[in-house]
Amino acid sequence: QSVLTQPPSASGTPGQRVTISCSGTNSNIGSKTVNWYQQLPGTAPKVLIYNNNQRPSGVPDRFSGSKSGTSASLAISGLQSEDEADYYCATWDDSLIGQEVFGGGTKLTVL
Amino acid sequence: EVQLAQSGAEVKKPGESLKISCKASGFDFTNYWIGWVRQMPGKGLEWMGIMYPRDSDTRYSPSFQGQVTISADKSINTAYLQWRSLKASDTAMYYCARRPSLVAAAGNYFDYWGQGTLVTVSS
Repeated sequence: QSVLTQPPSASGTPGQRVTISCSGTNSNIGSKTVNWYQQLPGTAPKVLIYNNNQRPSGVPDRFSGSKSGTSASLAISGLQSEDEADYYCATWDDSLIGQEVFGGGTKLTVL
Repeated sequence: EVQLAQSGAEVKKPGESLKISCKASGFDFTNYWIGWVRQMPGKGLEWMGIMYPRDSDTRYSPSFQGQVTISADKSINTAYLQWRSLKASDTAMYYCARRPSLVAAAGNYFDYWGQGTLVTVSS
């Protein structure tokens, strides 16, 4: 049971815009920055968004992040079949002796 | 090119010890944090702990404190994750990952990951 709550699944059709939410508390999202990771099937995770809304070089601008209060969101526009993956939010939590925590993950299916 | 090359898959029995490795190349190993992340079969990511090889500053998740040991050998740019007595519940994929900073938001994320080491513990 993660301290960050994500929906277990999400879906969309090619070209659509989908959003994945990540809900936390004041001791984590409310006071810290949020990162998002993408894990394609059978591969290691890869950072998509860091510092709430920054994209590393090489990440398409179809991916965007936002944060408001104790919640964060990842948006994917122009959905493509290769976006089918698991997505995880992550942030630090001061209530857990300065430990970083991951959300439970959201499996995105492209229909 | 930044690379984190992890050691190969392991099959162990309960009670055995194990040390898996993560060899870094393409960057200054002593200027980055190296963390470990567990992924149990079919499950999500779990943050285990992290070390700064320059001064051996190590932080553990309370869930893993006392269960594993994180270490590093600066002379060969290699980080390690170690168990003294494995349990069946340690069966998982283990990833090492590089982190530029634990403070500055611009670098406080895992920017490069190893390919993972699958550990299977079974009698």
